[in-house]
Amino acid sequence: ILNVEQSPQSLHVQEGDSTNFTCSFPSSNFYALHWYRWETAKSPEALFVMTLNGDEKKKGRISATLNTKEGYSYLYIKGSQPEDSATYLCAFFYNQGGKLIFGQGTELSVKP
Amino acid sequence: NAGVTQTPKFRILKIGQSMTLQCAQDMNHNYMYWYRQDPGMGLKLIYYSVGAGITDKGEVPNGYNVSRSTTEDFPLRLELAAPSQTSVYFCASSYPEMNSPLHFGNGTRLTVT
Repeated sequence: ILNVEQSPQSLHVQEGDSTNFTCSFPSSNFYALHWYRWETAKSPEALFVMTLNGDEKKKGRISATLNTKEGYSYLYIKGSQPEDSATYLCAFFYNQGGKLIFGQGTELSVKP
Repeated sequence: NAGVTQTPKFRILKIGQSMTLQCAQDMNHNYMYWYRQDPGMGLKLIYYSVGAGITDKGEVPNGYNVSRSTTEDFPLRLELAAPSQTSVYFCASSYPEMNSPLHFGNGTRLTVT
């Protein structure tokens, strides 16, 4: 069973709120974790690729942390804006042979 | 660069028909993937390839076949289409490093009736 779990499944926040979501993955044999942003009617676009325990990445108001020993990554959005509304996906490399498995995503809706 | 190109954009199939979804990339990427979008389930991996002549099964390979005769192309074949294969299919590619992000095509929306 290939388990990449994301929570919550959906989130509704007001403009200006800060929010965070979780991606859980197997803590053994870690290779890399990816975060993608997926807007409706578009294709997913990469946000971050994380490979080292303790990694922290930041792009504007969005940041991510990684804990490979306990098997989770957090994605944070500071001061959410309506344009942040999208589904946020994490993906985990299960082996060195290229197998990249996605979680079910967190759907974020930001109301003005 | 065109990036990752998927054709067709839309297709309606009758149950039992077959078709090939085309995917081509011009970035000299070794890794290529086929995913399907299932509602509330994110993206499910169908097949992937780490280079020409090498393919492997993902999470949901049943009912599909792939080939990778060139670095650029990674077609996905549906044999005997079933309503359960109604979905949006995404092709993606990347360089052969796990810290290299995926580049996605625009998707193919397939309906099987």
